[in-house]
Amino acid sequence: GNSVTQMEGPVTLSEEAFLTINCTYTATGYPSLFWYVQYPGEGLQLLLKATKADDKGSNKGFEATYRKETTSFHLEKGSVQVSDSAVYFCALRADSGAGSYQLTFGKGTKLSVIP
Amino acid sequence: KAGVTQTPRYLIKTRGQQVTLSCSPISGHRSVSWYQQTPGQGLQFLFEYFSETQRNKGNFPGRFSGRQFSNSRSEMNVSTLELGDSALYLCASSVLGTAKETQYFGPGTRLLVL
Repeated sequence: GNSVTQMEGPVTLSEEAFLTINCTYTATGYPSLFWYVQYPGEGLQLLLKATKADDKGSNKGFEATYRKETTSFHLEKGSVQVSDSAVYFCALRADSGAGSYQLTFGKGTKLSVIP
Repeated sequence: KAGVTQTPRYLIKTRGQQVTLSCSPISGHRSVSWYQQTPGQGLQFLFEYFSETQRNKGNFPGRFSGRQFSNSRSEMNVSTLELGDSALYLCASSVLGTAKETQYFGPGTRLLVL
């Protein structure tokens, strides 16, 4: 079946530090890959996505590249801010049978950025 | 465009009761999915509806059910509530539910079972 493994936190960084959150996946076929972010008390917001190999998704200074050869989609940001403190989820969307493409999520990584 | 809305936002029930949660997708979106989020199990897929038909269901007991109306609004129902059903229930919508589409999430309904 489909699965996502991401580094579990919590991760604590100082403002302006470099961020990497590792994510690897297992899927049948050719999944689309996503990073979602969840702020306290809220639902999930799409951060970025990539739908085919070698695509790079980017948004708000965050980037991730779809690496088919290593089945990875690591999230990076060059300089984090306090406002980036949240929980980050890596997810894939692939055929789960019967023409349904549900999201499969990693466990989430809680990021805290301190001034 | 208005986002995905969910009602109610918070709910407290007791064991054995039943509950109905509602989700209104983004206008024009026909696929609606439901997910359960708990600290222990993380985010788990409950079911997906498309054009009033259940297209897929996750590994949850029959106490969990749902439906979708002709205007794409969806409801999920949990009967005979158990303490372990306490969770954040998230609804997400997309136009057709295909692999490359983004699913847009609502704010969730937080259910507490006492």
